Amino acid sequence: GAVVSQHPSRVICKSGTSVKIECRSLDFQATTMFWYRQFPKQSLMLMATSNEGSKATYEQGVEKDKFLINHASLTLSTLTVTSAHPEDSSFYICSARETVSYNEQFFGPGTRLTVL
Amino acid sequence: AQSVTQLGSHVSVSEGALVLLRCNYSSSVPPYLFWYVQYPNQGLQLLLKYTSAATLVKGINGFEAEFKKSETSFHLTKPSAHMSDAAEYFCAVTGPGAGSYQLTFGKGTKLSVIP
Repeated sequence: GAVVSQHPSRVICKSGTSVKIECRSLDFQATTMFWYRQFPKQSLMLMATSNEGSKATYEQGVEKDKFLINHASLTLSTLTVTSAHPEDSSFYICSARETVSYNEQFFGPGTRLTVL
Repeated sequence: AQSVTQLGSHVSVSEGALVLLRCNYSSSVPPYLFWYVQYPNQGLQLLLKYTSAATLVKGINGFEAEFKKSETSFHLTKPSAHMSDAAEYFCAVTGPGAGSYQLTFGKGTKLSVIP
């Protein structure tokens, strides 16, 4: 149980285009989902916290207009990188918090974004 | 505020040897502590967690960790390393209670297992 999927697993796009990444909790309802960014050989950096039906809360330094987050249902959150640039290339990981176990997050497999 | 310090960004052990990955935390409230493993180009998998019950926590793949409040530590151990244990390991902390759910991660420790 407690499986989180991400789609796509890899994406390559041209500079200036927008990319949407989906995060789904497959077998549980997630009132809260999190989006992380991970640079090579580094730890995870929390970008934003997404609550179902409300606006996402962004961490300091994260541009909310560039990284659009939508959490329209209890099983789906999306991250859209708008007008992507090469510096946005990174590994993006989502996680979901199960409503029963408040403090445990279940992580998706990640999405490798490469912006040319 | 909470923080996690992982001592040693890279640890190498021989196959069959003891694995010890160090994690120290700082928290103003009783913490919940986690160890995650990450294989290349994959997400994080939970190894084990401490949530104020038993101080010695057993996880998957033969790993265990002991919560020591006096030392503010939560070191990860495994008696005998296997080649498949080679990966990146992250220690993380969060607070108890429904409102304290943001994880703070350490910088990670890369474990290499030498045949």
